[in-house]
Amino acid sequence: QVQLVESGGGVVQPGRSLRLSCAASGFTVSAYALHWVRQPAGKGLEWAAVIWYDGTKEYYADSVKGRFTVSRDTSTNTLSLEMNSLTADDTAIYYCARSPPTDWFLDLWGRGTLVTVSS
Amino acid sequence: EVVLTQSPATLSLSPGERATLSCKTSQTISRYLAWYQQKPGQAPRLLIYDASNRATGIPARFSGSGSGTDFTLTISSLEPEDFAIYYCQQRQNWPPLTFGGGTRVEI
Repeated sequence: QVQLVESGGGVVQPGRSLRLSCAASGFTVSAYALHWVRQPAGKGLEWAAVIWYDGTKEYYADSVKGRFTVSRDTSTNTLSLEMNSLTADDTAIYYCARSPPTDWFLDLWGRGTLVTVSS
Repeated sequence: EVVLTQSPATLSLSPGERATLSCKTSQTISRYLAWYQQKPGQAPRLLIYDASNRATGIPARFSGSGSGTDFTLTISSLEPEDFAIYYCQQRQNWPPLTFGGGTRVEI
């Protein structure tokens, strides 16, 4: 079955770190660009990061640049998002999604994992 | 950064009616626009890519049109399961990918 399944969300204090994972099945991560998109409760979608299909490039939204790092592991077919220096503004559902290698429309999404930054 | 403006914010219609949703971009993006549907508690689902191509498994009542800066998603005859929030997204100028603010289609 072709799917993405996120994990690792939870409640974290401001200033702390959290690592999200996204397990891909039914396809190989090296054939697609892989994205993180987040959505605060009751609000719209915000693209956060992407890792190139061959793993050679990463791009970030200005709101997370320097704090978040996206990576992938082809041996486990998994995408990750390391989030540092978290603030309340990072509170959201985090979705992983895939796109064709150079055509960035998101044709498969995970169900999301909730990150809450609160003291 | 390309800004996407969706209108109206809310569309109140009945099953069987036609829905017309608009997405305008702050810069020309050729036809590099996608539409997504999101239901409560669910992830977004790709409906249309590159302005007018239906994604796999999307019913023919969904259609997209437009180019440049003006785009439209049309649902020809609303089914009960179509009441949801719809987002547009551009991929012409990146990073970042950007989304519109969404249009809620309600009964």
